[in-house]
Amino acid sequence: KQEVTQIPAALSVPEGENLVLNCSFTDSAIYNLQWFRQDPGKGLTSLLLIQSSQREQTSGRLNASLDKSSGRSTLYIAASQPGDSATYLCAVLNFGNEKLTFGTGTRLTIIP
Amino acid sequence: EPEVTQTPSHQVTQMGQEVILRCVPISNHLYFYWYRQILGQKVEFLVSFYNNEISEKSEIFDDQFSVERPDGSNFTLKIRSTKLEDSAMYFCASTERVRGPSYEQYFGPGTRLTVT
Repeated sequence: KQEVTQIPAALSVPEGENLVLNCSFTDSAIYNLQWFRQDPGKGLTSLLLIQSSQREQTSGRLNASLDKSSGRSTLYIAASQPGDSATYLCAVLNFGNEKLTFGTGTRLTIIP
Repeated sequence: EPEVTQTPSHQVTQMGQEVILRCVPISNHLYFYWYRQILGQKVEFLVSFYNNEISEKSEIFDDQFSVERPDGSNFTLKIRSTKLEDSAMYFCASTERVRGPSYEQYFGPGTRLTVT
């Protein structure tokens, strides 16, 4: 059974700093991994999708990497802004499944 | 840009009542999903639906839950007799295809269900 863990559970950094969020998963037989953003009480906004054959994906100030063999992904946010404050979730899609398995999330606070 | 929509945004119901949560998936998508997120917990898969039948369900999706695509656009989740522990945010998602590395699920904004 796939287990997805995100560390740390919460992170506070001053505005302008670069930061890294971590995601680990136990079963490396995945099709892909998605990073989502969730604002309090709101829905899930997809940020990046990394296919299993890819090592990284970039969108603006966001860069996600994937090391499938070690069961890890990171989300790098450059030059953080207060508007980046949210909970960030990673989710994996396994071979033979139709469902996404979500991580526990990292609650990010950017301090102005 | 096409998006998944859900109604209502917030539903309050009494324990034991039936509720129906509605979703309109993206129009050319063929696979539909329901997930839920209890406050402070992980997003959990409930059920997937393709070609007018359930293709996968979790252990959470017991007999009190049912899904339906009553017409060409709506996808519904029914909870027959709500319990306090059903209080959660319910997310609908859809995708064009079910498997493959480029497969991406698109999520709706969610319905917050509060059972009193």
